[in-house]
Amino acid sequence: EDKVVQSPLSLVVHEGDTVTLNCSYEVTNFRSLLWYKQEKKAPTFLFMLTSSGIEKKSGRLSSILDKKELFSILNITATQTGDSAIYLCASDTYGGSQGNLIFGKGTKLSVKP
Amino acid sequence: NAGVTQTPKFRVLKTGQSMTLLCAQDMNHEYMYWYRQDPGMGLRLIHYSVGEGTTAKGEVPDGYNVSRLKKQNFLLGLESAAPSQTSVYFCASSPIRDPTGGETQYFGPGTRLLVL
Repeated sequence: EDKVVQSPLSLVVHEGDTVTLNCSYEVTNFRSLLWYKQEKKAPTFLFMLTSSGIEKKSGRLSSILDKKELFSILNITATQTGDSAIYLCASDTYGGSQGNLIFGKGTKLSVKP
Repeated sequence: NAGVTQTPKFRVLKTGQSMTLLCAQDMNHEYMYWYRQDPGMGLRLIHYSVGEGTTAKGEVPDGYNVSRLKKQNFLLGLESAAPSQTSVYFCASSPIRDPTGGETQYFGPGTRLLVL
């Protein structure tokens, strides 16, 4: 059975800390790994990773994929209170008759001032 | 618990046809959502509902209608399908937002729609 597992499920840090969120996956026909930030209603797209070892960066956020070990990490440096959110990881797969995204349960990050 | 289920799993429509996608959740969640996912674009919110009998527009509502007559069901309708609506549709639900402002959404398996 395909699955995506995120850890930790929740995390509390103080402003200025650096955090690393983990996402491991076991899926057939893997295509890409996506990260989302979910604050209020809808998750917002952060990164799509398709190749191993190539870091994607956006400001203080960065992410990398390891297709050999089947995991990805999301790093946030110099955290701010505005980074408080649930971070979702999803695996995108090829083929199948229905939706291709398999979501993890998310990591809830709380950044305290 | 089955969690969030969606029917159908896959559908092919001709331009101009109509159809309804059904989302059902058995977790007694207040909030329900419909998203579409297109290659390279991630998820986009179509409509959402904060409770039985209520609906609201999301980021890309045009061409879609929704109804939440029962708490456990959220229907997404396409009155006149267009090729631009070819996509994968995900439904999600979440409990009442917790006091800290976060909410975990639980996603269904998705529905693949092809409009010819």
